[in-house]
Amino acid sequence: GAVVSQHPSRVICKSGTSVKIECRSLDFQATTMFWYRQFPKQSLMLMATSNEGSKATYEQGVEKDKFLINHASLTLSTLTVTSAHPEDSSFYICSAYYSTYGETQYFGPGTRLLVL
Amino acid sequence: DAKTTQPTSMDCAEGRAANLPCNHSTISGNEYVYWYRQIHSQGPQYIIHGLKNNETNEMASLIITEDRKSSTLILPHATLRDTAVYYCIVRVGGGGFKTIFGAGTRLFVKA
Repeated sequence: GAVVSQHPSRVICKSGTSVKIECRSLDFQATTMFWYRQFPKQSLMLMATSNEGSKATYEQGVEKDKFLINHASLTLSTLTVTSAHPEDSSFYICSAYYSTYGETQYFGPGTRLLVL
Repeated sequence: DAKTTQPTSMDCAEGRAANLPCNHSTISGNEYVYWYRQIHSQGPQYIIHGLKNNETNEMASLIITEDRKSSTLILPHATLRDTAVYYCIVRVGGGGFKTIFGAGTRLFVKA
């Protein structure tokens, strides 16, 4: 299957700072990428859908000015958590879609964010 | 997207088959059944998907009832490494469509 990476795998930051998380498709070009957030002992919650070269589509209740998504190339999407606060501490996961692999998406390993 | 119902948790003995059920009684004709799993602190892993025929790959088998209102994921010989949360998802085919996760089934494989 396709390989999706995320960087960093873990990040600790101070409250009020911004954090950028990268999602890369390593062996394919992803036309669409998705960002999820997962709190402890909960399921994944979809945050936004990112299409290369266009603005991201955010799910209801997700602040687009706080969670900035950029999908500038077919292999890279970034999520920036601006002015992070402790309640933003979570596990952030991306997934990518590539038509050659059929009707599925492949997920990255996740990034654990801790805001102090 | 159609909703799914899965048991909260299940146990399975190592080496035995693990059968994970999923109910999706409101599934539409153009919706597929997808299965993913998530091992602790990792991203979800794609397992298998199907429309109406039974499917098998190197990881698992997917049995879909004739009326498509339920399905079963079968791990033929469960190992300790299969301990994970298994998600049954019903949605329109095509990877470009968003995938909405429910609570899933927590499978414990015991030695």
